[in-house]
Amino acid sequence: DVKVTQSSRYLVKRTGEKVFLECVQDMDHENMFWYRQDPGLGLRLIYFSYDVKMKEKGDIPEGYSVSREKKERFSLILESASTNQTSMYLCASTRVAGPSTDTQYFGPGTRLTVL
Amino acid sequence: QKEVEQNSGPLSVPEGAIASLNCTYSDRGSQSFFWYRQYSGKSPELIMSIYSNGDKEDGRFTAQLNKASQYVSLLIRDSQPSDSATYLCAVNFFSGGYNKLIFGAGTRLAVHP
Repeated sequence: DVKVTQSSRYLVKRTGEKVFLECVQDMDHENMFWYRQDPGLGLRLIYFSYDVKMKEKGDIPEGYSVSREKKERFSLILESASTNQTSMYLCASTRVAGPSTDTQYFGPGTRLTVL
Repeated sequence: QKEVEQNSGPLSVPEGAIASLNCTYSDRGSQSFFWYRQYSGKSPELIMSIYSNGDKEDGRFTAQLNKASQYVSLLIRDSQPSDSATYLCAVNFFSGGYNKLIFGAGTRLAVHP
């Protein structure tokens, strides 16, 4: 079974703090994704990566950055957290290398609250 | 702006009935379509994928695709209370050299005994 894990299920941070969200997958998947999910808006793509050290902006990258130093790990960074970044953050991975429509497997999510 | 539209619901059906969930999308070039189920407080899990026009059945679930009408649906037969969840439609879009999945906002299904 594919396993995608995220470092925290719940996180509370203060405005202006630097926040790291970690995602690890154990199935040697090539592609990894970060989404945020807000009521009424569905899942929106923040960043994705098709290879180590590679990253591409998704639809809402502003205020975020990412790091992929190892194939299994994809980190989302909030350089200076703001209250409008309070959300559920979901990491996903797919097996097939490069652009594809392969099935995405999701981690359990991190509910981040910024006060 | 690529869009995937779903009725937010809630769609309420009695136990044993057929639940019909609908989704429309804006890009005629889309090739891959997915239905995810998401229980409250949990992450999405894949139920069905469909790539060709017509019906695809898997147990109590049937996905239907009509590319000409840009319409994809999910039927759940013999609905059970355990099917109560939010159902997300996802459609691939090719943009900027990459395939991306765009998700609808989801339809909340409530199956009552």
